[in-house]
Amino acid sequence: AQTVTQSQPEMSVQEAETVTLSCTYDTSESDYYLFWYKQPPSRQMILVIRQEAYKQQNATENRFSVNFQKAAKSFSLKISDSQLGDAAMYFCAYKTLSGNTPLVFGKGTRLSVIA
Amino acid sequence: DTEVTQTPKHLVMGMTNKKSLKCEQHMGHRAMYWYKQKAKKPPELMFVYSYEKLSINESVPSRFSPECPNSSLLNLHLHALQPEDSALYLCASSQDPIPNTGELFFGEGSRLTVL
Repeated sequence: AQTVTQSQPEMSVQEAETVTLSCTYDTSESDYYLFWYKQPPSRQMILVIRQEAYKQQNATENRFSVNFQKAAKSFSLKISDSQLGDAAMYFCAYKTLSGNTPLVFGKGTRLSVIA
Repeated sequence: DTEVTQTPKHLVMGMTNKKSLKCEQHMGHRAMYWYKQKAKKPPELMFVYSYEKLSINESVPSRFSPECPNSSLLNLHLHALQPEDSALYLCASSQDPIPNTGELFFGEGSRLTVL
């Protein structure tokens, strides 16, 4: 079974600085998707960034980028120029390509942004 | 319109009550989901509906009864709940069940308290 591990329960970053959230996963599949979801306090969970495993290029979305290391099964999220609105719970998630199988979530990392 | 709307936002019920949670999306998505989320934990999948048919039931107790009246609506009927069922209940949708790229659109959730 696939598993997703986020080893940092909590992280903090100064406003305007850069922070990296770690995620590792375990799978025997060769093709899959990886995601970072953001859940702000009392607000809905939204997709931050997605990476297809067959793509070697790391995904980027504005201030958010990933470091995808397929051989190491590592998928870290880098947030540049951190803003107060980035404070949230961040969940790493894995999705196999086969059929209607559900997302597998990590336990999450709570990010605090210090003004 | 990229919203998933959930009602009510808050619900308090006794263990003998019958209540329902409602979810609506108008994005033309054909898969809808119920998740349960405890504080500081990742969402746990409960049910998946694909093309209005129940496709996944993650061994959820029968006191939770899902219903999908049409492609835009998803209900969760609650009866004889226990205090440990108190949680945030999240509804989500995705464009297609198969292939499922894993990109989910979440509602803000219904916070349930069982007394």
